[in-house]
Amino acid sequence: GAVVSQHPSWVICKSGTSVKIECRSLDFQATTMFWYRQFPKQSLMLMATSNEGSKATYEQGVEKDKFLINHASLTLSTLTVTSAHPEDSSFYICSAPGQGRTYEQYFGPGTRLTVT
Amino acid sequence: QKEVEQNSGPLSVPEGAIASLNCTYSDRGSQSFFWYRQYSGKSPELIMSIYSNGDKEDGRFTAQLNKASQYVSLLIRDSQPSDSATYLCAVMHSGGYQKVTFGTGTKLQVIP
Repeated sequence: GAVVSQHPSWVICKSGTSVKIECRSLDFQATTMFWYRQFPKQSLMLMATSNEGSKATYEQGVEKDKFLINHASLTLSTLTVTSAHPEDSSFYICSAPGQGRTYEQYFGPGTRLTVT
Repeated sequence: QKEVEQNSGPLSVPEGAIASLNCTYSDRGSQSFFWYRQYSGKSPELIMSIYSNGDKEDGRFTAQLNKASQYVSLLIRDSQPSDSATYLCAVMHSGGYQKVTFGTGTKLQVIP
């Protein structure tokens, strides 16, 4: 149980275009999902908390107009990187809390974004 | 600022030895602690969670928590080359919302 998928697994786009990344909880419902970004040889940095049916909560320093998050259902959250630039190239990973009181988080396989 | 600190390593141990990974955290009110393993180019995989002081064992892995010292550790017994990865310590903030802060990770190398 507690499987999280992401699509696509990797994407290459041109500077100035937008890219949408999907995060799905496959066998459970997730009212909350988290989006992280990881640059090479660095740790995961939380970008935002995605809340089903309401606005996402962004961490300090993350541009909400650039990184659009939509959590339209209990199993799907999307992250859209708008007007992408080469410095947005990174590994984007989503996670969802497991069920029950354990608070464990389960990660999707990640999406490697390269902006040329 | 809530911080989680780990030695970046690399920590090198011979195959079959015990690997000891350490983590300290600053938020004294934290209640939930996790260890994740991350292979290069992959997303983190949950190894252990621990919520109360003491030891928690699962197979070759033992997590240790000392809230008074704000210290969490992970022991890997009979280390295998396949254990070579980066190990991330994660701490859930007090105050709810299920947000966690990750340490920078310790790179473990198990030498055959």
